[in-house]
Amino acid sequence: AQTVTQSQPEMSVQEAETVTLSCTYDTSESDYYLFWYKQPPSRQMILVIRQEAYKQQNATENRFSVNFQKAAKSFSLKISDSQLGDAAMYFCAYRSAASGYALNFGKGTSLLVTP
Amino acid sequence: GAVVSQHPSRVICKSGTSVKIECRSLDFQATTMFWYRQFPKQSLMLMATSNEGSKATYEQGVEKDKFLINHASLTLSTLTVTSAHPEDSSFYICSASDGQSNTEAFFGQGTRLTVV
Repeated sequence: AQTVTQSQPEMSVQEAETVTLSCTYDTSESDYYLFWYKQPPSRQMILVIRQEAYKQQNATENRFSVNFQKAAKSFSLKISDSQLGDAAMYFCAYRSAASGYALNFGKGTSLLVTP
Repeated sequence: GAVVSQHPSRVICKSGTSVKIECRSLDFQATTMFWYRQFPKQSLMLMATSNEGSKATYEQGVEKDKFLINHASLTLSTLTVTSAHPEDSSFYICSASDGQSNTEAFFGQGTRLTVV
């Protein structure tokens, strides 16, 4: 079974600064997808960014970018110019055909943004 | 993105009763729906995967007779918690997919179930 590990239960960043959230995963598959989801206090799951394993280029979405290291099985999220609205739980997730395309989530990182 | 509507958002029920949670895909055909459970300050744990017209596949440790899942149409899946107990109190979230491997799954708003 694939495992997703987020080693940072909590992180803090000052407004306008940059923060990186870590995620590693374990798999024997070559074709899979990786995601970062944001869960604010409303608990609605919001897709932040996704990465296809076959793509070498790191995905970016405005202030959000990833550092995808396939050989190291690492998938970190960088948030630039942090805003107060970025405060939330962030979950790293893995998906593949072997899991029926269900998402396998890490334990999450709680991000606090200070003024 | 596509819209998935989950209802109700909050429900309180008495021990021993059953409660049904609905998950609807409003603007696409959801061939596959996933049901997750989330305890406070924890991650989402997959409970079961349902494909339209067939029986759901439950994860290890999830009682299929307690958590009844029906996916009778391409736009609706239901989760019924039968004979609810206080330990079933949790946040339940559905997500729906059109079955294409390269598209994301879309989440409902979640249901907070409290069993008293």
